[in-house]
Amino acid sequence: GENVEQHPSTLSVQEGDSAVIKCTYSDSASNYFPWYKQELGKRPQLIIDIRSNVGEKKDQRIAVTLNKTAKHFSLHITETQPEDSAVYFCAASEDSNYQLIWGAGTKLIIKP
Amino acid sequence: DAMVIQNPRYQVTQFGKPVTLSCSQTLNHNVMYWYQQKSSQAPKLLFHYYDKDFNNEADTPDNFQSRRPNTSFCFLDIRSPGLGDAAMYLCATSRGGILYSPLHFGNGTRLTVT
Repeated sequence: GENVEQHPSTLSVQEGDSAVIKCTYSDSASNYFPWYKQELGKRPQLIIDIRSNVGEKKDQRIAVTLNKTAKHFSLHITETQPEDSAVYFCAASEDSNYQLIWGAGTKLIIKP
Repeated sequence: DAMVIQNPRYQVTQFGKPVTLSCSQTLNHNVMYWYQQKSSQAPKLLFHYYDKDFNNEADTPDNFQSRRPNTSFCFLDIRSPGLGDAAMYLCATSRGGILYSPLHFGNGTRLTVT
């Protein structure tokens, strides 16, 4: 079955700098890759997603890139702000319309 | 605002005492999910409903059951909670599955087992 690895587990960046979180997946049939942000004690919220027919997608300060050949995708956050501090999860769709395979999460810390 | 609502936010139960968590949605989504999330871990899918069709994940313990009496409501029943069942339980919805629309999560119920 699908396996998703996420790195790093913790990322600390200076406010205003960029942050990059990387994920790799194993099943070449996976075709949907969402990113969720979860603030402490709150629910996961979708921040951006990408499908396998697209190489890059951008939404203001957030972008996701997908390399299908290498089977990896990355989240890029530019001009980081204190409110970006959270745990970020990547995920990949398995051969199912209902099951997401999740990465282990990255705790992003924005230093003032 | 359309949303996914979970009650209660915090639930304390005793070891072995049955407990029910509830979820309601105003999004009119046909798929509802229950996830378990332990601290610092990713959410783990327990089961999902496509309309009234119930789908259990293979590794979901028999101790966990679910009911969906109508489109709007879904319940998670834990028959005999153990200390290992202490976790955040998240309800989520989607329209037609994740490939068609993203997951919308409720705020969760944090379960404590004493």
